[in-house]
Amino acid sequence: AQTVTQSQPEMSVQEAETVTLSCTYDTSESNYYLFWYKQPPSRQMILVIRQEAYKQQNATENRFSVNFQKAAKSFSLKISDSQLGDTAMYFCAFMKHEYSGGGADGLTFGKGTHLIIQP
Amino acid sequence: NAGVMQNPRHLVRRRGQEARLRCSPMKGHSHVYWYRQLPEEGLKFMVYLQKENIIDESGMPKERFSAEFPKEGPSILRIQQVVRGDSAAYFCASSPGGHLYEQYFGPGTRLTVT
Repeated sequence: AQTVTQSQPEMSVQEAETVTLSCTYDTSESNYYLFWYKQPPSRQMILVIRQEAYKQQNATENRFSVNFQKAAKSFSLKISDSQLGDTAMYFCAFMKHEYSGGGADGLTFGKGTHLIIQP
Repeated sequence: NAGVMQNPRHLVRRRGQEARLRCSPMKGHSHVYWYRQLPEEGLKFMVYLQKENIIDESGMPKERFSAEFPKEGPSILRIQQVVRGDSAAYFCASSPGGHLYEQYFGPGTRLTVT
């Protein structure tokens, strides 16, 4: 079974600063995907960024980037030029992939980090 | 293209009643996942379904909970004889399947058991 650990229950930074959220995971799988989801007060789960484990290059989406260290099983999220709208819970998630003509597996989530962007 | 739809958004049930939660996946998506989120917790996987098939129900409690995804119509998560501990937010996600693995979430149903 997979586990995902987010060691920072809450973080607070000033607007425009850069912040890094940490995530580690444990798995014996070799083929898998990693995700960061954002959950604002509306509670809607929003996909922020994804990383395929077989790719060495770190994923980037505008102000969001990851530092994927496969050997260390680490997957941190960096938010640059933070904005008030980034205030939310952030969840790291793991999914193993078994392509058998169907879909992929269920997601395993960490407990989340509550990120607060101060004006 | 409408996103994943869930209804109702809020559901209140008395202990012992049945709760039915509905999920309509995104157009073109044939894979549905259900998750439960307890207060101050991350989401926990419950069940993964394709049309007319349960693929993985390893996260589903053995009693009182069932799920289906019929050939026509939405996916249904059913909780019989609800108890206070069932109070949670229930999220549905869908994906296209195949090599397209990303899951897109609905807004969730908040179940309150009184």
